[in-house]
Amino acid sequence: DAGVIQSPRHEVTEMGQEVTLRCKPISGHDYLFWYRQTMMRGLELLIYFNNNVPIDDSGMPEDRFSAKMPNASFSTLKIQPSEPRDSAVYFCASCYGGVGYGYTFGSGTRLTVV
Amino acid sequence: AQKITQTQPGMFVQEKEAVTLDCTYDTSDPSYGLFWYKQPSSGEMIFLIYQGSYDQQNATEGRYSLNFQKARKSANLVISASQLGDSAMYFCAMRETGSGNTGKLIFGQGTTLQVKP
Repeated sequence: DAGVIQSPRHEVTEMGQEVTLRCKPISGHDYLFWYRQTMMRGLELLIYFNNNVPIDDSGMPEDRFSAKMPNASFSTLKIQPSEPRDSAVYFCASCYGGVGYGYTFGSGTRLTVV
Repeated sequence: AQKITQTQPGMFVQEKEAVTLDCTYDTSDPSYGLFWYKQPSSGEMIFLIYQGSYDQQNATEGRYSLNFQKARKSANLVISASQLGDSAMYFCAMRETGSGNTGKLIFGQGTTLQVKP
């Protein structure tokens, strides 16, 4: 298995532009999570899905952030419009349900908004 | 309420020595899992070791072992024979699946480990 695949690895964009981050989870995993990591705030859970259905989006910072999972093999996190404070590393992770299963993380997308 | 606590923001260890990274947790769920992840400077999150709440023995994975003390609610990571490549951020995490819990991992704030040659 290729693991959790995120794209792009790096993204530099200007303030006000739309940014779309992509994630392909491991086949068969029924949970998908989006995290944001910064030095100041550490790892923050933004949203997660179970069987493609959003379960908890309470971590999404503002309406500028949206996430979708149209099918079991693809998810997107969109920021529109982007702001410099959105600069962070965004991780996607997937796992099976059940207490014994941890996450497999993607390599992350390093987003810089200038 | 903070459910995973890592009290050591940073630690140093001499190469080839053992080091213990502390983690305490809080849960009322009898069924839970505890995990450790490593994040080197390259940024990826690497799974290290897992301990189930019903496991009788401490988990081990190569040079990593988990010192699980259920009554004290602690799940410390022990790295034996430290190597320079062990320098990284280490995260402790917990997953609960009891009623009202939804299966997400809760992470601690992390401990930065530096191995000195």
